[in-house]
Amino acid sequence: QKEVEQNSGPLSVPEGAIASLNCTYSDRGSQSFFWYRQYSGKSPELIMSIYSNGDKEDGRFTAQLNKASQYVSLLIRDSQPSDSATYLCAVASGDSWGKLQFGAGTQVVVTP
Amino acid sequence: SAVISQKPSRDICQRGTSLTIQCQVDSQVTMMFWYRQQPGQSLTLIATANQGSEATYESGFVIDKFPISRPNLTFSTLTVSNMSPEDSSIYLCSVEASDRSSYNEQFFGPGTRLTVL
Repeated sequence: QKEVEQNSGPLSVPEGAIASLNCTYSDRGSQSFFWYRQYSGKSPELIMSIYSNGDKEDGRFTAQLNKASQYVSLLIRDSQPSDSATYLCAVASGDSWGKLQFGAGTQVVVTP
Repeated sequence: SAVISQKPSRDICQRGTSLTIQCQVDSQVTMMFWYRQQPGQSLTLIATANQGSEATYESGFVIDKFPISRPNLTFSTLTVSNMSPEDSSIYLCSVEASDRSSYNEQFFGPGTRLTVL
């Protein structure tokens, strides 16, 4: 059973601080890693993709991947109240024909 | 990314009935996926729908309960059959990005919120 694990939260973050979200996965054959943001009542929105070890930055978001440790993280710098949402980690294996396995999601609450 | 629409956006249905959900994409895509998101839960893949072939169902989902059509590269339907209150969920379709640099990226439609009484 391939698993993707996330802390459910809520993760409370002061406005302007850094939010750090973690995700671990069980399938060593995983090759593609994604972070989605989901606002309440809305569908998931892709915010980051990462495929190789190291960091990938896009605006205030940084994704970090460590395949040896089977670990992927998301940092949100200068957190804003609009960042309050549930963040879903998703993983695709090399043999999955594009299928994504989702974690349970981490709820982030940014407090003014 | 592709623009994806779903119909209906929400519905309230009686147990024992069936509902067909439509997913329309503004460009041709090879891979389409159907997910379920139960209240307070994450996304669970129901099936993969490729044009010209039978849908591939995940463990726990069967064609008799969730028949899927994929008549062309821009459209798919998911039917929830013989519904029970346990089928109350948000149903989402997604498509895989066609850009080779966006490997495995998926984009989601707005979802269909289904309540079964």
